[in-house]
Amino acid sequence: KNEVEQSPQNLTAQEGEFITINCSYSVGISALHWLQQHPGGGIVSLFMLSSGKKKHGRLIATINIQEKHSSLHITASHPRDSAVYICAVRGGTASKLTFGTGTRLQVTL
Amino acid sequence: DVKVTQSSRYLVKRTGEKVFLECVQDMDHENMFWYRQDPGLGLRLIYFSYDVKMKEKGDIPEGYSVSREKKERFSLILESASTNQTSMYLCASSPGWGGLIQYFGAGTRLSVL
Repeated sequence: KNEVEQSPQNLTAQEGEFITINCSYSVGISALHWLQQHPGGGIVSLFMLSSGKKKHGRLIATINIQEKHSSLHITASHPRDSAVYICAVRGGTASKLTFGTGTRLQVTL
Repeated sequence: DVKVTQSSRYLVKRTGEKVFLECVQDMDHENMFWYRQDPGLGLRLIYFSYDVKMKEKGDIPEGYSVSREKKERFSLILESASTNQTSMYLCASSPGWGGLIQYFGAGTRLSVL
C-alpha cells in the first residue's frame, strides 16, 4: 500500500462544476503539498499546508491531521484547470517528499 | 521568479551509454533533488543534495549517481544506461533545511533504446 493515496485517479468534469480531489496518507507528516502538472511536464506548487485551510483564487485546500486526509477543491472549474494534481507529504526527513500518483483532471466545455 | 532549468527536454540514448542530465537553479537554494516519474508510480526520489558536495540516496538510487560541485548545479549521471531507465526525469530545488516548497524544472524525457 502506498503511503500517499489519491482519489479519484481520473476525473472528467464540465466547465463550471465544483471539483474535489482527495488525498489520504498513512505516515506522520509535518506538511502536505498540492502540486499541479500540466501536459509537457512542468510542475507548479499550489499549496503547502500543515493545518486548517488555504485558499488561492478558485482553489481551496484543506487538511485534517487527525484523519490523515486532505482535499483540494476547485470552484467554477475551467478547461485551463485540466492537469494532473499531485499530493505530496513531508515526513520525518525534513526535506524529502513522498508523492501520490496523481489525479488526472479533464474539464470540458 | 525562481528558475530551475534542465539542460534537455528530450533525450534519446543507446543502452550502455553514459548519460548526464544537468539541472541549474538561480535562487541560491541549498536543497536540490532528482526524481523520476513513471505512469502509475508518481514521482520517486532518486537522490537529493542539501549542500555542495553533499548527497543522500533517495528511494531508487540504483543505477544512478549525482554530482554537486557548485551550489547552483546538480547533475544526474546514468553510468551505463539501460532500457528500464527510460522515464521522465525532474529536477527540483528548495531553500534551506526543512524543504518548504520545491520548485521544479520542466523535465527531461529520456528514452534509452
